[in-house]
Amino acid sequence: LAKTTQPISMDSYEGQEVNITCSHNNIATNDYITWYQQFPSQGPRFIIQGYKTKVTNEVASLFIPADRKSSTLSLPRVSLSDTAVYYCLVVRGGNTGFQKLVFGTGTRLLVSP
Amino acid sequence: GAVVSQHPSWVICKSGTSVKIECRSLDFQATTMFWYRQFPKQSLMLMATSNEGSKATYEQGVEKDKFLINHASLTLSTLTVTSAHPEDSSFYICSADPGAYGYTFGSGTRLTVV
Repeated sequence: LAKTTQPISMDSYEGQEVNITCSHNNIATNDYITWYQQFPSQGPRFIIQGYKTKVTNEVASLFIPADRKSSTLSLPRVSLSDTAVYYCLVVRGGNTGFQKLVFGTGTRLLVSP
Repeated sequence: GAVVSQHPSWVICKSGTSVKIECRSLDFQATTMFWYRQFPKQSLMLMATSNEGSKATYEQGVEKDKFLINHASLTLSTLTVTSAHPEDSSFYICSADPGAYGYTFGSGTRLTVV
């Protein structure tokens, strides 16, 4: 699966929009991009997944350009509780139940008052 | 939504003893579960893939005799850290795929070996 690269850390303030970009240059045709959030001393939590263009849910938006070599997780109007580590992963489409998830370094987001 | 329950949430044990961590899928069946280890300020590292009714598959560098995995049913996988030593102190997390978007992770187990 494609290796992902993301910034190690980002800082923001409450109420701002945060965009975290992930590069995955070797993404394959049947790969999806998935983002997880992890708070300290907790397991990761699924945020959003997409294949191309734009996906939006109640938590975030995911933007994927046509070449799919990168993706951007957008968190609107962040609050202090959004302080966490965000992981971008590439997963193979199809029967994912047997697929290992390989986590990269993640992006440590710190939201300040 | 799908829940993976992990128990205990934290454990302290003496060096040389064994510790068992349980991972249960509460409202779905999981033929496969995954075990991760995470050190402070680091990312999750996949340790092994737990397969119901068969032997676990370990990642390179993970001692299978030290980290015993049993997946006896479609809802339960256990990780036993045998003869634990201080360097085994870490945060252990399990996960499974409920079939919907994204994998579900347990809340993790903080192991401290003294």
